[in-house]
Amino acid sequence: GAVVSQHPSRVICKSGTSVKIECRSLDFQATTMFWYRQFPKQSLMLMATSNEGSKATYEQGVEKDKFLINHASLTLSTLTVTSAHPEDSSFYICSARPPGTSGSYEQYFGPGTRLTVT
Amino acid sequence: AQTVTQSQPEMSVQEAETVTLSCTYDTSENNYYLFWYKQPPSRQMILVIRQEAYKQQNATENRFSVNFQKAAKSFSLKISDSQLGDTAMYFCAFTHNNAGNMLTFGGGTRLMVKP
Repeated sequence: GAVVSQHPSRVICKSGTSVKIECRSLDFQATTMFWYRQFPKQSLMLMATSNEGSKATYEQGVEKDKFLINHASLTLSTLTVTSAHPEDSSFYICSARPPGTSGSYEQYFGPGTRLTVT
Repeated sequence: AQTVTQSQPEMSVQEAETVTLSCTYDTSENNYYLFWYKQPPSRQMILVIRQEAYKQQNATENRFSVNFQKAAKSFSLKISDSQLGDTAMYFCAFTHNNAGNMLTFGGGTRLMVKP
């Protein structure tokens, strides 16, 4: 199956700094990628849809100026958490699906990034 | 808007026994797709099984099968011969053709398989 990678797997940053998380589709091109946030023992909450070559679409309640998304190529999307605060500490997961596939086709998930803001 | 509900936050089952996880959903769409994803302690999301709404036959994948009741908007997952490696969070998910590939997840069920 297709592989999606994320980097870094874990990151600790100080309050007020920015941190970038990368999501890469390793063996397929992804015109669309998704960013989720998951709190402990909770479900995945969609934050935004990343579109190659255009602006991301953010879900209601997600601050686009705080969570900057850039989908610069068909295999890379980045999520930058700006001016991080301790409440931004969470597990961030990305996913993608090969283009042209039907709705029944599975999405491939990255392994996630655990962000801790101190 | 679509909603997915998993009414069982936690469940446990003895090894080798059978367990059923519940999922209900609400949608006005006619062409949609349902999934069960597993998230083990590693946090990597893994597809367990999928069902196309237009198919009447319930999907099966080895020890995993679903009971898809379209009229009732119910999509339960049955795990037979439970194994210790089945211990994980299980998420029911939904998408449809007009959703732009976006998945809507249920709240999850934490399954513990006991030796």
